[in-house]
Amino acid sequence: DAGVTQSPTHLIKTRGQQVTLRCSPKSGHDTVSWYQQALGQGPQFIFQYYEEEERQRGNFPDRFSGHQFPNYSSELNVNALLLGDSALYLCASSLDRVGETQYFGPGTRLLVL
Amino acid sequence: GQNIDQPTEMTATEGAIVQINCTYQTSGFNGLFWYQQHAGEAPTFLSYNVLDGLEEKGRFSSFLSRSKGYSYLLLKELQMKDSASYLCAVRILSGGYNKLIFGAGTRLAVHP
Repeated sequence: DAGVTQSPTHLIKTRGQQVTLRCSPKSGHDTVSWYQQALGQGPQFIFQYYEEEERQRGNFPDRFSGHQFPNYSSELNVNALLLGDSALYLCASSLDRVGETQYFGPGTRLLVL
Repeated sequence: GQNIDQPTEMTATEGAIVQINCTYQTSGFNGLFWYQQHAGEAPTFLSYNVLDGLEEKGRFSSFLSRSKGYSYLLLKELQMKDSASYLCAVRILSGGYNKLIFGAGTRLAVHP
């Protein structure tokens, strides 16, 4: 039973560029949430996708956008990268049921120079 | 606003017991989670409380008091591999959907 997978594992970009991160949820899970984790901090909620729609969003600018595909996999896109976007980006999957636990992928470490 | 507080760092000795506290001030509380995160790795699920009381899972136990906005994670018989960050996360019900709000994490160092 495959867990949550993410790609790439590491990425280096320069300011102003755009990046796309990918996530495949745990088998059977239909809900995907994205988090940004800066060094020494806890994960910050970016948004959540269910049935191919964004249904919740944290305090992140519109430069952060996403998509969910019919197979429940998801992408996170960040435009016009800033130095402050350097962080570990985590994807978590769960079932859309009350009380369900979120399971995290290994993350993508993004460095913006 | 939503606020979750936990100590930044703790140290303990191998074989001992350590308690990591978490206090929260949130609206729409719908459960509290503890995750373990080793450096450079993803958070892994440890425990979940939604009702008051103690939940035990082997060497790990977690306690919740909703009236006090307080939880703790208890680690017994500490091992060197328990050196990690421990994240307290509150699930918030907002607009009909759940989302997790995390504390900054507590870095635990276990010494021989």
